[in-house]
Amino acid sequence: GAVVSQHPSWVICKSGTSVKIECRSLDFQATTMFWYRQFPKQSLMLMATSNEGSKATYEQGVEKDKFLINHASLTLSTLTVTSAHPEDSSFYICSAGTFDEQFFGPGTRLTVL
Amino acid sequence: AQKITQTQPGMFVQEKEAVTLDCTYDTSDQSYGLFWYKQPSSGEMIFLIYQGSYDEQNATEGRYSLNFQKARKSANLVISASQLGDSAMYFCAMRRNTGKLIFGQGTTLQVKP
Repeated sequence: GAVVSQHPSWVICKSGTSVKIECRSLDFQATTMFWYRQFPKQSLMLMATSNEGSKATYEQGVEKDKFLINHASLTLSTLTVTSAHPEDSSFYICSAGTFDEQFFGPGTRLTVL
Repeated sequence: AQKITQTQPGMFVQEKEAVTLDCTYDTSDQSYGLFWYKQPSSGEMIFLIYQGSYDEQNATEGRYSLNFQKARKSANLVISASQLGDSAMYFCAMRRNTGKLIFGQGTTLQVKP
């Protein structure tokens, strides 16, 4: 299957700082990528749809000014958690693929102190 | 409402036995897809199997098979000959006609030696 990478795999930051997470499709081009958040022992919740060359589409209840998404190329989408707070601590996962196949990145574990 | 339901929070199975993980869904979409993913403790989402709503035959991938009953809106995962490495969280997901994935709550499977 196709490969999706994420960087960093884990990050610890202080409250109030911003953190950028990268999602890359390594062997295919992705016009659309998805960003999910997962709290411990819970399911994946879709945060937003990242569209190459246009604005991201956010799910209801997700603050677009807090979770900035940029999809500048066909292989890279970034999620920036701005002014992070402890409640933003979570596992963030991206996915990319075709209509019938979604490949997930390995995830980024964010801990905000 | 579009929804995926996994009613088994946790399951145990003896090594080498078969196990069925339940998944029911609700959708008004005519075209949709159903996925099963495995998530080990490392957090990565591993694609297992896919069933399209118009596929007449049940999908199979090695030890995994999907028991698709469209009229009952169920898409149960059957794992045959369980192995210790199968211990993980399993998620059922539905791909809507928008391309977005909706996930169930997950089932934690433990394989006993």
